[in-house]
Amino acid sequence: QSVLTQPPSASGTPGQRVTISCSGSSSNIGSNYVYWYQQLPGTAPKLLIYRNNQRPSGVPDRFSGSKSGTSASLAISGLRSEDEADYYCAAWDDSLSGGGVFGGGTKLTVL
Amino acid sequence: EVQLVESGGGLVQPGRSLRLSCTASGFTFGDYAMSWVRQAPGKGLEWVGFIRSKAYGGTTEYAASVKGRFTISRDDSKSIAYLQMNSLKTEDTAVYYCTRVSYGSGSYLDFDYWGQGTLVTVSS
Repeated sequence: QSVLTQPPSASGTPGQRVTISCSGSSSNIGSNYVYWYQQLPGTAPKLLIYRNNQRPSGVPDRFSGSKSGTSASLAISGLRSEDEADYYCAAWDDSLSGGGVFGGGTKLTVL
Repeated sequence: EVQLVESGGGLVQPGRSLRLSCTASGFTFGDYAMSWVRQAPGKGLEWVGFIRSKAYGGTTEYAASVKGRFTISRDDSKSIAYLQMNSLKTEDTAVYYCTRVSYGSGSYLDFDYWGQGTLVTVSS
C-alpha cells in the first residue's frame, strides 16, 4: 500500500486530454513539492514535472502539473501514442517514518 | 553527456550482502547529492535513500524499510556512489536505479538523471 494514492490505470484516445490524480496527506503533498515521473516500457523513469508544476527542458508543454491541498494532478493534453507509459507521483514525507514516497503508479493506455 | 552506470547486481542468498556501484560521468560528481530508487518486478518505484554532497556534510537518509541494513557512500575522487546492502531479504529483490539529485532543487526527490538499473535477486 503506497503512501500516495494513484489510480492504477487511465486511458484516452489520441488528441484527448487525460488527468492522473495523486492523493496524499498533510505530511507529504500538503507540505512539500510534488514530482512526476514517466516510465516508458522497459526503460528507466524520467523526470516529467518538478516542484508541482515545472517542466524540465525538453518536456513538451502538453504535460502540466498542479497541486491543491493534499492532492496533485498530472494533465496530458493532445494525447499521443508515445505517451503510453507508467506515471508516478512522488513527494517528501515529514512524518516520523517519512522520507521519499511514491505513488503506486498509473498505467496510461492510448486507445 | 551525463551518464550513470550501475553495476554489482546479481543473485544473492537471503542474509548475505551485496554492494552496488554507480559510476558517474559528464558532470562534477562531488557537487551533487546522489540517490537510489528501486523497483520490484512488476511493481512501482520505491525510494531507498540518498547521500548529500560533501558541501552539505555528505550525510545520508534512508527509507524505513532499509534503515540499519543498507548504507550509501561516495568516492568523489572516482565519481562513484555505492549502495552496501547487508542482511538481504527476499523482498529486496528489485531493479536498483542510481539517480542524480538536481542541483539546488531544494528537494531530494528531484531526480534529473537515472541510470539504466541493475537487478538484484535475493533467493535461496
